[in-house]
Amino acid sequence: LAKTTQPISMDSYEGQEVNITCSHNNIATNDYITWYQQFPSQGPRFIIQGYKTKVTNEVASLFIPADRKSSTLSLPRVSLSDTAVYYCLVGDRDRDDKIIFGKGTRLHILP
Amino acid sequence: GAVVSQHPSWVICKSGTSVKIECRSLDFQATTMFWYRQFPKQSLMLMATSNEGSKATYEQGVEKDKFLINHASLTLSTLTVTSAHPEDSSFYICSAQQGGSTNEKLFFGSGTQLSVL
Repeated sequence: LAKTTQPISMDSYEGQEVNITCSHNNIATNDYITWYQQFPSQGPRFIIQGYKTKVTNEVASLFIPADRKSSTLSLPRVSLSDTAVYYCLVGDRDRDDKIIFGKGTRLHILP
Repeated sequence: GAVVSQHPSWVICKSGTSVKIECRSLDFQATTMFWYRQFPKQSLMLMATSNEGSKATYEQGVEKDKFLINHASLTLSTLTVTSAHPEDSSFYICSAQQGGSTNEKLFFGSGTQLSVL
């Protein structure tokens, strides 16, 4: 089973900042947190990865509190093209060496 | 960034025929590749994990004789859906991982939409 919990869906408006939070209470010491984005009929693509505190790239920011039991993906000034499903993965493999996706968050950006 | 090429993008076939889907890592060597299937508005479901030169590890409920996986080289894995039936219609996605670290990020193919008539 996936080790993460995310909201099933979110709506926002163009130009707004969107924050998607992921819970991962059982995160292991060596686990990184990775977020992927998937558009319809496409494979997911990597957005950002982090271990602690804050990571920022040209697409998003990732905030991770000290206890690392959750993380927040922040998308600045979203546009319609950011409408997609966002998946949070912790570590890349569970103890059985599998990579399991949770249900993800379906983000819908409105004009 | 690393590129994973998946072909074909879509395929329509008659019931009973076999379909092969290719997944290639174009600019890196993939020690591990994963195959997923995805139904509309659902998450990715892991079907199998393949390591170069060894047999694939299938998830529970996935028939290994129906979904043949071959990972013959560090840059190519194939999934063959044998004797396809309408219930096999789905979106199939491969992904590749360059190293063996548990935190290596995944690179995904663009997916293959299979429709079985």
